[in-house]
Order: sequence, then C-alpha cells, then structure tokens
Amino acid sequence: DAGVIQSPRHEVTEMGQEVTLRCKLISGHNSLFWYRQTMMRGLELLIYFNNNVPIDDSGMPEDRFSAKMPNASFSTLKIQPSEPRDSAVYFCASSTLTGNGYTFGSGTRLTVV
Amino acid sequence: RKEVEQDPGPFNVPEGATVAFNCTYSNSASQSFFWYRQDCRKEPKLLMSVYSSGNEDGRFTAQLNRASQYISLLIRDSKLSDSATYLCVADPWGDQTGANNLFFGTGTRLTVIP
Repeated sequence: DAGVIQSPRHEVTEMGQEVTLRCKLISGHNSLFWYRQTMMRGLELLIYFNNNVPIDDSGMPEDRFSAKMPNASFSTLKIQPSEPRDSAVYFCASSTLTGNGYTFGSGTRLTVV
Repeated sequence: RKEVEQDPGPFNVPEGATVAFNCTYSNSASQSFFWYRQDCRKEPKLLMSVYSSGNEDGRFTAQLNRASQYISLLIRDSKLSDSATYLCVADPWGDQTGANNLFFGTGTRLTVIP
C-alpha cells in the first residue's frame, strides 16, 4: 500500500498567487481530512469528507480556501489568493468510516512570500 | 476549553529513564483514544490505540481513566529514537454515524538525552 500521497512536498509562492495542494487517499478508505499545522496553533482541522461528501468545513479559514473531492480517491485544497499568513504545513489524512485512527500523508510545506 | 489538552513540555530525560505524559479530554462521551508520534518535519503516525482501560506494546503503555477523563502514555527504558512530539487524540463520536473527525492535542515534546 502506497499510503496517503500528497503533492507537492514543498511550495513557495508569492502573495496573491493561487496554490493547489493535492492528496490521494489510501485505497479502500472513504474519509478524507485536511489539516493545517503551525507552531502557534498546532494541528487544525480545515475540512473533512465522508464518501466524497463534505461533512464539516467549519475550520476553513475564509473564502480564499476551497476543497474538492472529485472522486473517491483524490482531493484538492485550493488557496486563492494566497497570503503570507497561510504559510504552514498542510496535511491530508484518510481513514475508513469506522476508522481506527488516521493515516497521514507526508504533508505539503507551503511558504507564501 | 480545548477538547484535548496536554502539557507541551518539553520533557528532557536521560536514556533509560521512564517518562509519562498525561492528557485530559473534555467530552465524557469520547469512546476511542490514540497516541500519535510526530518526528520533526514529518507527519503524525499512529503509535497506539487506547482500548478500555489501556494497553501495552513493548516499552509503551497507554492507560485510560474515564472517571477522571485522562489518558496517559508511559515510556520505559527511553531510547534516543523516542525523541519526538507525542500527540494525544480523542474520538468523541462513538457510534454516531456521519461524524468521525478526531480531536488532537497540541502535543508533548520529548527529548531523550545520551
């Protein structure tokens, strides 16, 4: 099993640019979670999906952030326009619905300058 | 109040020492608990699930006290490779369908010193 795959691993972009982060779930998992991690705030849940349906997006900071799950195995998190305060590590994680914990991807380290 | 609270540390212990981390959770309905380990610049990885009153895996023992709403992680005979941040996690949903997000503590940082 290849695990949860995220891309890119690192992204450096200028303020105002659009950023798209990608995540591929583990085969057979049907829950997908997007997290953001910073030193100040720790892990913050942004949004999660069950069976491709968004369940809770209350953690999405503002309208600049959007997430989609076009199929059962893939998701994107988009930031448009990006701002320096969006700099963080973004993790996606997947699990089964009855899950025994999550499996995290290796994260995307985003730097907005 | 946060769902899960941990002492952020850092804990600096010599090799071979025994160290314990505590974590409290606010939702008495929480059913499942986990400890995750996160190495520097890496993703969190599941270390242990905490069942009923607790469980043991080698040098690691996790315990759950439902009456006091706390979970602990005990590491015996600490190794240099145990240096990491340990995240306490609670699942408050039980059998409620449609909701299965976990609540993470901010983590306790451990450094094992030679």
